[in-house]
Amino acid sequence: DQQVKQNSPSLSVQEGRISILNCDYTNSMFDYFLWYKKYPAEGPTFLISISSIKDKNEDGRFTVFLNKSAKHLSLHIVPSQPGDSAVYFCAARRTGTASKLTFGTGTRLQVTL
Amino acid sequence: NAGVTQTPKFRVLKTGQSMTLLCAQDMNHEYMYWYRQDPGMGLRLIHYSVGEGTTAKGEVPDGYNVSRLKKQNFLLGLESAAPSQTSVYFCASITTRQGGYTQYFGPGTRLTVL
Repeated sequence: DQQVKQNSPSLSVQEGRISILNCDYTNSMFDYFLWYKKYPAEGPTFLISISSIKDKNEDGRFTVFLNKSAKHLSLHIVPSQPGDSAVYFCAARRTGTASKLTFGTGTRLQVTL
Repeated sequence: NAGVTQTPKFRVLKTGQSMTLLCAQDMNHEYMYWYRQDPGMGLRLIHYSVGEGTTAKGEVPDGYNVSRLKKQNFLLGLESAAPSQTSVYFCASITTRQGGYTQYFGPGTRLTVL
């Protein structure tokens, strides 16, 4: 049972435009959500996070939106840059579980010139 | 401050062989985790530790054992490797930040079992 889903395996966006990556979850006990970026042959690197008590969090070009009623979150990257080309993972933490994370399957973003 | 390091980076085993993957962190983090990543499946938790001397099972623990004898080290062992354990293995440790927290990942170990 995939509790965290990223239904788009890949996304292609032109440089300077907005990239929107989506993530859906099924477990209402998740209280904290994170986005990670991963380049080939490297470990995932933390990008941005959001608590379930908020609906938006911004950090520079990156904004994460959380819609709890729809169990949906999205990552917006504006403007997109070629260096943003990577695989993006959505992850969620359930309350009281030693901060274990459940990951989605990832979305490969390609930013074209 | 090297962050989270993993050794080795690559390894090829034959079925039935054993090996130990080492994860080390120099950030004094309490919690540490071992994940595996397979194509199209994201990262799945194998085992984790909430402190020195403690370990617990994650989502896919079968075929693996772990030990946390020192706070800075978290070892993942394969007693009898199987081809199904061919994967990329990531270690992570955790810290809190700005009211939340984040997991820092190592660079990974690519393991092939023939």
